[in-house]
Amino acid sequence: GAVVSQHPSWVICKSGTSVKIECRSLDFQATTMFWYRQFPKQSLMLMATSNEGSKATYEQGVEKDKFLINHASLTLSTLTVTSAHPEDSSFYICSARDTYGYTFGSGTRLTVV
Amino acid sequence: EDKVVQSPLSLVVHEGDTVTLNCSYEVTNFRSLLWYKQEKKAPTFLFMLTSSGIEKKSGRLSSILDKKELFSILNITATQTGDSAIYLCAVADNNAGNMLTFGGGTRLMVKP
Repeated sequence: GAVVSQHPSWVICKSGTSVKIECRSLDFQATTMFWYRQFPKQSLMLMATSNEGSKATYEQGVEKDKFLINHASLTLSTLTVTSAHPEDSSFYICSARDTYGYTFGSGTRLTVV
Repeated sequence: EDKVVQSPLSLVVHEGDTVTLNCSYEVTNFRSLLWYKQEKKAPTFLFMLTSSGIEKKSGRLSSILDKKELFSILNITATQTGDSAIYLCAVADNNAGNMLTFGGGTRLMVKP
């Protein structure tokens, strides 16, 4: 089946630094990928839709200058959390639509200290 | 704006019990409804439903969609402790590209 590889799985960074999260479709091409954020005991909240070769579409309330998305190829999308603050600590998950449905990456747990 | 509501929010049962999880939705142009199971990490796919009244089954899990009443249920029979997880329902809207709208999830705990 389709596989989406996401890394890192877990990252701790200092406040004010930037963190890049990669999401890669391993055996299929993904023109569109989705980035979600999940706070403890809450559901997945869509942050943005990443489109290969064009600008990402951000959901209301998500700062595009803070959460930089790059989708430079059909198999790779990256999310960079810039100038991270403790309130950005969360679980970030990417997903891509494949032939049969949606495949999720394994998620990245970000802790900003 | 698409909306997905799941109930109950949380459920505690004993092994062997049967549970029914509910998902109701409002969507502009329905394409499909999906169920996921989430344990510690990313959600894992359970079912995709597109047609009303056709039950999908996988082992002890089954799901059905009612497009007239705009809801779906996920049934788990003979529950086991390994079924403890958050169950997420999501809808795909033809008018929203490939985007999914998720419900708030139902947290299921199965006690031995």
